[in-house]
Amino acid sequence: QKEVEQNSGPLSVPEGAIASLNCTYSDRGSQSFFWYRQYSGKSPELIMSIYSNGDKEDGRFTAQLNKASQYVSLLIRDSQPSDSATYLCAVSPNAGNMLTFGGGTRLMVKP
Amino acid sequence: GAVVSQHPSRVICKSGTSVKIECRSLDFQATTMFWYRQFPKQSLMLMATSNEGSKATYEQGVEKDKFLINHASLTLSTLTVTSAHPEDSSFYICSALGTADNSPLHFGNGTRLTVT
Repeated sequence: QKEVEQNSGPLSVPEGAIASLNCTYSDRGSQSFFWYRQYSGKSPELIMSIYSNGDKEDGRFTAQLNKASQYVSLLIRDSQPSDSATYLCAVSPNAGNMLTFGGGTRLMVKP
Repeated sequence: GAVVSQHPSRVICKSGTSVKIECRSLDFQATTMFWYRQFPKQSLMLMATSNEGSKATYEQGVEKDKFLINHASLTLSTLTVTSAHPEDSSFYICSALGTADNSPLHFGNGTRLTVT
């Protein structure tokens, strides 16, 4: 069983809409949670990190963490075609900073 | 912010030759670096974990004698693909982890390896 699960997509949303990306994880002891964006042919880039329950907002991005339900989500407001990419959820299973990645969700924002 | 430099960004080599890829953390010390491989339209696959001053830990199915990893300093790790074959053609990405708790993982720009 995978430790970090994501729907592979593609998730298609119209330009200007809110894109909602979800991730579940199996290790209840996970401490740190990250969202990476990867454009085709490029390496992942960190866009959000979250460590405590609740919401964390950064510009058009909001990360949501619910440790009791073991899920973390990423909301992208006012989606733009340039947001089209694969979004990777990463979870640190313990304080030792080892990360486990989900398989990624491909997002397509249509003009 | 933290920067990880990976070199070369693209390399084409003949079958049977070896290729070395460098990964450097530019403004932080990285006791741990990770090497990933990604085939087209697939997710990142962790190949090995590189720890400064010790032997790398390889994931199941990754040949340690074929993919040589050296992490000689707190800012440099190298991956050498030995006796490369066309099936080794892939996108290789390194990442580095800072020493502070909850440090995020920062990725290099990746190396596109093509073996002819």
